[in-house]
Amino acid sequence: AQKVTQAQTEISVVEKEDVTLDCVYETRDTTYYLFWYKQPPSGELVFLIRRNSFDEQNEISGRYSWNFQKSTSSFNFTITASQVVDSAVYFCALRDTGRRALTFGSGTRLQVQP
Amino acid sequence: GAGVSQSPSNKVTEKGKDVELRCDPISGHTALYWYRQSLGQGLEFLIYFQGNSAPDKSGLPSDRFSAERTGGSVSTLTIQRTQQEDSAVYLCASSLGTGGYNQPQHFGDGTRLSIL
Repeated sequence: AQKVTQAQTEISVVEKEDVTLDCVYETRDTTYYLFWYKQPPSGELVFLIRRNSFDEQNEISGRYSWNFQKSTSSFNFTITASQVVDSAVYFCALRDTGRRALTFGSGTRLQVQP
Repeated sequence: GAGVSQSPSNKVTEKGKDVELRCDPISGHTALYWYRQSLGQGLEFLIYFQGNSAPDKSGLPSDRFSAERTGGSVSTLTIQRTQQEDSAVYLCASSLGTGGYNQPQHFGDGTRLSIL
């Protein structure tokens, strides 16, 4: 069975601080896909990134970066120089070949204070 | 282009009534998903449609829940004899059906359902 754990329920930082959101996953498949979504206060889930299990290269997109480590089953998300607009709930999700639906973590609420 | 469209945005109804929630996926997306987001349960999968294949109903919590997808496009989620525990935000997502499991799902704004 699939499982995604986001142990950090809520994080509060001051603007311009760096922050890392943790994600640990469980799956028996060797082929799987990991995703991060952002849910701002307005409510819509916004797709941020996907990563497949065969590609362990880290990725950077502007102030966002993702660190995928199969050895520790982790897919962590770092925001550099955080901004108030980054305040949202962030979800990590997993899809393996067992089913097409996403298995979500419980989410991490990030509050960036001005 | 247009994203996933859901209606209504909000629905308040009395316990025991039936409700219908609508989802219009992104044009060209053959895969459609329903999820439920509630405080205690997080984001839960409900049902998945892919083209003309039989839907994956494995996430439906009870037989009061059903969904259909007409013409491979619009989907309706129906909850019969609503209970207070059905109160949640119901999210619809769609994705390209081709290209394997790595296609990201794109979500609508959701329908906030409140059962009195």
